[in-house]
Amino acid sequence: ETGVTQSPTHLIKTRGQQVTLRCSSQSGHNTVSWYQQALGQGPQFIFQYYREEENGRGNFPPRFSGLQFPNYSSELNVNALELDDSALYLCASSPLINGQRRGANVLTFGAGSRLTVL
Amino acid sequence: DQQVKQNSPSLSVQEGRISILNCDYTNSMFDYFLWYKKYPAEGPTFLISISSIKDKNEDGRFTVFLNKSAKHLSLHIVPSQPGDSAVYFCAARNQGGKLIFGQGTELSVKP
Repeated sequence: ETGVTQSPTHLIKTRGQQVTLRCSSQSGHNTVSWYQQALGQGPQFIFQYYREEENGRGNFPPRFSGLQFPNYSSELNVNALELDDSALYLCASSPLINGQRRGANVLTFGAGSRLTVL
Repeated sequence: DQQVKQNSPSLSVQEGRISILNCDYTNSMFDYFLWYKKYPAEGPTFLISISSIKDKNEDGRFTVFLNKSAKHLSLHIVPSQPGDSAVYFCAARNQGGKLIFGQGTELSVKP
């Protein structure tokens, strides 16, 4: 059973640029969530994808967007990068059964992509 | 609006003793609470959870206690081991299924 994998692990961008981060979900998981973890803080929910559609969004502006593909992998895109976007971006997957969570519906996280915006 | 708070950024414990990590929340509609552990350069890994209808859940050395009237939960690790040294995040799940995390507590277990 493969876990959640993310790429790239580290990247540096300049203000105003665009970035795409990628995530492969754990085998058997059909839901992907993205979180932003700033230094010294806990992860903050960005959005979740289920059946290739956004299924819940946190308090992030529209320049944060995403995609989910038929194989359940996902991308996070951030346009017009700002200095405050520097953070660890975590992808997490989980299973939904007929769209319903079962029990605690534990998220399985990847190791993250560390983005630095200069 | 910090709905989940971990007020202790760090905790140091001697090997073999009990570690107690605390978490407070404000929203009484959370239905599950989870603890995650994070090592450097790795993603958070799930440790233990508790439903809002329970007050205790135990898994080996790890026990989570939930006090709904105080909106407080705690994670007890006994006995603590040096390999338990990590950042521990408390998370609460809202009715939309979103996990809301605390700021984390860095646990250091000294040999």
